[in-house]
Amino acid sequence: DTEVTQTPKHLVMGMTNKKSLKCEQHMGHRAMYWYKQKAKKPPELMFVYSYEKLSINESVPSRFSPECPNSSLLNLHLHALQPEDSALYLCASSLAGGAQETQYFGPGTRLLVL
Amino acid sequence: GESVGLHLPTLSVQEGDNSIINCAYSNSASDYFIWYKQESGKGPQFIIDIRSNMDKRQGQRVTVLLNKTVKHLSLQIAATQPGDSAVYFCAEKFDAGKSTFGDGTTLTVKP
Repeated sequence: DTEVTQTPKHLVMGMTNKKSLKCEQHMGHRAMYWYKQKAKKPPELMFVYSYEKLSINESVPSRFSPECPNSSLLNLHLHALQPEDSALYLCASSLAGGAQETQYFGPGTRLLVL
Repeated sequence: GESVGLHLPTLSVQEGDNSIINCAYSNSASDYFIWYKQESGKGPQFIIDIRSNMDKRQGQRVTVLLNKTVKHLSLQIAATQPGDSAVYFCAEKFDAGKSTFGDGTTLTVKP
């Protein structure tokens, strides 16, 4: 199984809502990632978890809160988002978070903030 | 002097032709490079990678060339097919866990 799954596929939320994005992989990978991708732009790294510990936070605003409950699951909790946060949110995983590892991406959650 | 291909945001080729997609990377300390293909509505999909101690790597119908002197990567697709139509991104890694993506190239294959 070389699949990373993400739910929901689409999400519309108001600026006062709280919602969560979910990501799951069963490849035995110990590193998981969140990326944000705006239309016609490359993905931008947000967070990296390695062995369930947050190892990289790319100065992401606190209205985005990641969580890694176990080695297979990664969540992104959203609260008080702004319309400019509308984007495709991609999850990825890799073996252990080392430098020369292939990352496997999920299909993304398309988020619209009204 | 050596000619280095320019990055183009869009590329249109005829089915059956070869495609060359170029990418300039930013960090001379990067030691691992990846090409991804992203189809509409999907996440990036790994195509091929290359380590900095190599200058060429071949896969099935794809070849990646690395020129460290000018910090340039290219992806060559042989006998391009309509299913190759997508956005192609290069990515560089110079630190554990961090991938930096280049600007994508939208490849359109005309039947």
